[in-house]
Formats: sequence, C-alpha cells, structure tokens
Amino acid sequence: DAGITQSPRYKITETGRQVTLMCHQTWSHSYMFWYRQDLGHGLRLIYYSAAADITDKGEVPDGYVVSRSKTENFPLTLESATRSQTSVYFCASSDPDRGWAGELFFGEGSRLTVL
Amino acid sequence: AQKITQTQPGMFVQEKEAVTLDCTYDTSDPSYGLFWYKQPSSGEMIFLIYQGSYDQQNATEGRYSLNFQKARKSANLVISASQLGDSAMYFCAMRVMDTGRRALTFGSGTRLQVQP
Repeated sequence: DAGITQSPRYKITETGRQVTLMCHQTWSHSYMFWYRQDLGHGLRLIYYSAAADITDKGEVPDGYVVSRSKTENFPLTLESATRSQTSVYFCASSDPDRGWAGELFFGEGSRLTVL
Repeated sequence: AQKITQTQPGMFVQEKEAVTLDCTYDTSDPSYGLFWYKQPSSGEMIFLIYQGSYDQQNATEGRYSLNFQKARKSANLVISASQLGDSAMYFCAMRVMDTGRRALTFGSGTRLQVQP
C-alpha cells in the first residue's frame, strides 16, 4: 500500500544504546520530517529534509542524527539514547506539488522508551 | 520565530452541539498557512483543514470550519454537530513562508471529549 510507514512501532532500549527509527514513503515526496511528541509540548521538529542528501536541524536536534541517501527513506538515529528521549516519534512527508498549502502526511508513529 | 498557542488543554461538548477550539499564532511574516490536525486515541495524525493568510474566505471542510481573524492572529477550529468520534486531541499548526522550510510548527493541543 502507498503511504508512509515507520518501524519499529514500539521499542524499549537502555540508556547509552544506539537506536535507529526507520521511515519509508512510497509517494516520492521530496520533503520529509521527523517530529517528537511529548505531553504538553505538542509535536516538535527534530530534523527536516528537502531532498535526498539535504537535511537541516529543527527545534530539538541534539542527540539525533539523520541521513537521506534515497528519497523514500529517512532514518532517525539516537546515537546514545537518554531517558529524556523517551517519546513518540513521527515521520512525515509533504508533496512539493501542493506548494505551501500542502499538508504533512504522517506515519503511525514509533513509541520509544529509554530505561 | 513563529509560535502557536492553544490555551484550552481540555474541552467537553455534548453530542450534536457545536464546539470551538482556540488557536492563536505569532509571526511577523505576512505569508503563512494554518493547519488543523486531529489525533484520535489510536495515535495517527489526521489533516482536517487549511487556511492561507491571503485567503479571503474562511476555510470549510464538511463539519469543520476555520474562523480566521487575521488582525487578532487567531485561527479557531469550529466543529459543528459534534459526534462521539470527534473525541480526540486537536492540534493547530503553522507554516511560515519566509523560512524556506515546509515544516509545520505545532501548538500543544486541545483534548476534546464529546459526551452523549
């Protein structure tokens, strides 16, 4: 099915471990995003990508790394997980043909718990 | 920097009644767009409605309408004839054109509970 998928949907890890959250979209949207959702904060932008090999920091990038070698994939890596990174992570994409009015299409979210 | 404020952490409404969810925004850029999303308890983010800063009329999508008051910098979501399935978190978000980014800035959300 076309759309945007995230994996894993649920992950429990320990402090200090590296974790990678995967995001795959089938629309070939050039714009992709990673957000984290925490109670009381809504969704906050971690990283943003305008195209393959083009990424930029968002509001809360510390402790995260992204790459985008292919248009359809946008993995998010926590290099050394901390408890403060316990959150729900959303990947999203946007169709450039929709212009500035284009909404974001979200994946189902990945719930990460860092013990 | 742009900011979205949703001052109602939680709202209750009776089934079949209308409800207004508040959203105020702050930006100095004249070109921007405002979005509303719904997040049911299952967790997915569902796009509801969009309003551009230069749009002359308030946006409407079925039972959803956006009460856009530019001078007050408010973009309230109005849900008419509430249904039990409208119970969810609702997020207001903004995109500012001059940043060159397509990312949205989100408010903290309002949890709506529809009572039978």
